[in-house]
Amino acid sequence: GAGVSQSPSNKVTEKGKDVELRCDPISGHTALYWYRQSLGQGLEFLIYFQGNSAPDKSGLPSDRFSAERTGGSVSTLTIQRTQQEDSAVYLCASSQMRGAYEQYFGPGTRLTVT
Amino acid sequence: AQKVTQAQTEISVVEKEDVTLDCVYETRDTTYYLFWYKQPPSGELVFLIRRNSFDEQNEISGRYSWNFQKSTSSFNFTITASQVVDSAVYFCALSTVQGAQKLVFGQGTRLTINP
Repeated sequence: GAGVSQSPSNKVTEKGKDVELRCDPISGHTALYWYRQSLGQGLEFLIYFQGNSAPDKSGLPSDRFSAERTGGSVSTLTIQRTQQEDSAVYLCASSQMRGAYEQYFGPGTRLTVT
Repeated sequence: AQKVTQAQTEISVVEKEDVTLDCVYETRDTTYYLFWYKQPPSGELVFLIRRNSFDEQNEISGRYSWNFQKSTSSFNFTITASQVVDSAVYFCALSTVQGAQKLVFGQGTRLTINP
């Protein structure tokens, strides 16, 4: 079946602009995670969704970051007023249920802020 | 807090050699899960294995094997008779049963298999 998909694959934006990153999880997966991968920080957790609610947002680095999930499926990560330090690969993962099941990752969105 | 340490930043071996990737973890929880993921040059993280903290049996899958030792808080990964296609960055990760059960990753080990 189809895996996790993310769009766009690459995004170049100017400092100060807003960006939206999209994630389509595997059908039927109730848990959805966003992670960020950067050279300096490695792979770090951003936010977790169970269904449409986000009980854990502890990894969002600032209030410029927000995310939502609709219909228990598609999720959008929004970064407002982008800064150069936001440049990274943003990865989405989904799993059948939280934690006990393996998380399947999408190909990521490479964000470059100039 | 949870922490995963992969002390080997880079490893380079010649094809057909065996290679072991080390992973040491820290957690105060008694129930937790350990994972290994592979990130080939294409960039997508590929799930390899999940172990729970109650199952210390070693596991073998083809040329891959995993050694889980709670006494030393280690979950090491061995590739036997390595192949060029094994070249990738390998991540060890930990999750607990509380809360979001998010993955806490090590810094990764870049493995290069030379022909």
